[in-house]
Amino acid sequence: DAGVIQSPRHEVTEMGQEVTLRCKPISGHDYLFWYRQTMMRGLELLIYFNNNVPIDDSGMPEDRFSAKMPNASFSTLKIQPSEPRDSAVYFCASSFWGAWADTQYFGPGTRLTVL
Amino acid sequence: AQSVTQLGSHVSVSEGALVLLRCNYSSSVPPYLFWYVQYPNQGLQLLLKYTTGATLVKGINGFEAEFKKSETSFHLTKPSAHMSDAAEYFCAVSEDGAGSYQLTFGKGTKLSVIP
Repeated sequence: DAGVIQSPRHEVTEMGQEVTLRCKPISGHDYLFWYRQTMMRGLELLIYFNNNVPIDDSGMPEDRFSAKMPNASFSTLKIQPSEPRDSAVYFCASSFWGAWADTQYFGPGTRLTVL
Repeated sequence: AQSVTQLGSHVSVSEGALVLLRCNYSSSVPPYLFWYVQYPNQGLQLLLKYTTGATLVKGINGFEAEFKKSETSFHLTKPSAHMSDAAEYFCAVSEDGAGSYQLTFGKGTKLSVIP
């Protein structure tokens, strides 16, 4: 398997612009997670899906952030409008069961810079 | 609520020396514990995990960790450091129980290996 695929790997945009990050989970994995990594806050869970349905979005920082999973093989994280404080590395991860003991498989991340 | 503390944001060891990365957790129920490694510009990958059973867990690349309930610790060790071990290491905890699935990460420890 190719692993979790994220695109783009790097994104530079200007404040106020819309940003869309994409993720393809490992085939057969029913759970998908979006994380944000910053120096100040470390790794934070933003939202996760089970069978394409959002289960917990309590980590989404504000209404400017939205995430969708239209099918089992694709998810997007959208920021509109973007702000400089959104600059971070965004990771997508997937797992087979989503059980508490399950392993999460991470993508390579998207490094977002908002100027 | 669960939490993870990693002592030391940066650890340096000489090649061939013992690696010891510390992790303490807080959990109201028996936890599941993980160590993930992140190489530069890559996503996280699982090194090892403790779920139930034997408290000494062996992982990839010669790493192991011991779950000590009385000390609420899950320290990561490797007898002899290799240059390729230079990376950032994250300890994480999840709890089995009612409510939303949550994997909580520590802030990470960056390991440098000196030739």
